[in-house]
Amino acid sequence: KQEVTQIPAALSVPEGENLVLNCSFTDSAIYNLQWFRQDPGKGLTSLLLIQSSQREQTSGRLNASLDKSSGRSTLYIAASQPGDSATYLCAVIFSGNTGKLIFGQGTTLQVKP
Amino acid sequence: GAGVSQSPRYKVAKRGQDVALRCDPISGHVSLFWYQQALGQGPEFLTYFQNEAQLDKSGLPSDRFFAERPEGSVSTLKIQRTQQEDSAVYLCASSSRVESIYGYTFGSGTRLTVV
Repeated sequence: KQEVTQIPAALSVPEGENLVLNCSFTDSAIYNLQWFRQDPGKGLTSLLLIQSSQREQTSGRLNASLDKSSGRSTLYIAASQPGDSATYLCAVIFSGNTGKLIFGQGTTLQVKP
Repeated sequence: GAGVSQSPRYKVAKRGQDVALRCDPISGHVSLFWYQQALGQGPEFLTYFQNEAQLDKSGLPSDRFFAERPEGSVSTLKIQRTQQEDSAVYLCASSSRVESIYGYTFGSGTRLTVV
């Protein structure tokens, strides 16, 4: 079964700390992997998209890596800020699934001032 | 429009009532997806449209769930005889690419509460 798992489920850090969110997936045959942010009561905002042929993507203080062989991705957030507090979701499009995203359960991040 | 619009934002239904949830995708977007997100969980796939064709409905949890996109733009997700386990946020996403591997735009969702 194609599954995506995220740990930890929740994380609380002081402002300014660097942190890593983890995502694992069960099948290495993927089209791409995406990281989304979800604020309470809101939809999903795409943060980073890594194609199957890529190893990492960067946007500002965010860096996402992809290791297909081990079925893992990490989202690195540098110098965290209270405004980074949200739920972060990892989602994979597995090969053979036309556009269908399989999501992890999410990691809820709280950055304390 | 500028984004994906979903209506209503909130819906409270009595158990056994029928509901209809609407999604207005970005104009011209070919692909449209519906997802169900239970409290504290990640979204789960329900169904996928390419233009007006429903190509995948494998995620619909029962025959009480029905989705349509008759003209290849607006989509409606209908739930008949709602039950408490149907309470969730229903998210719609659209993409300009057929295989949607280059990213999506999500709507803000409809929060359905069945009482």
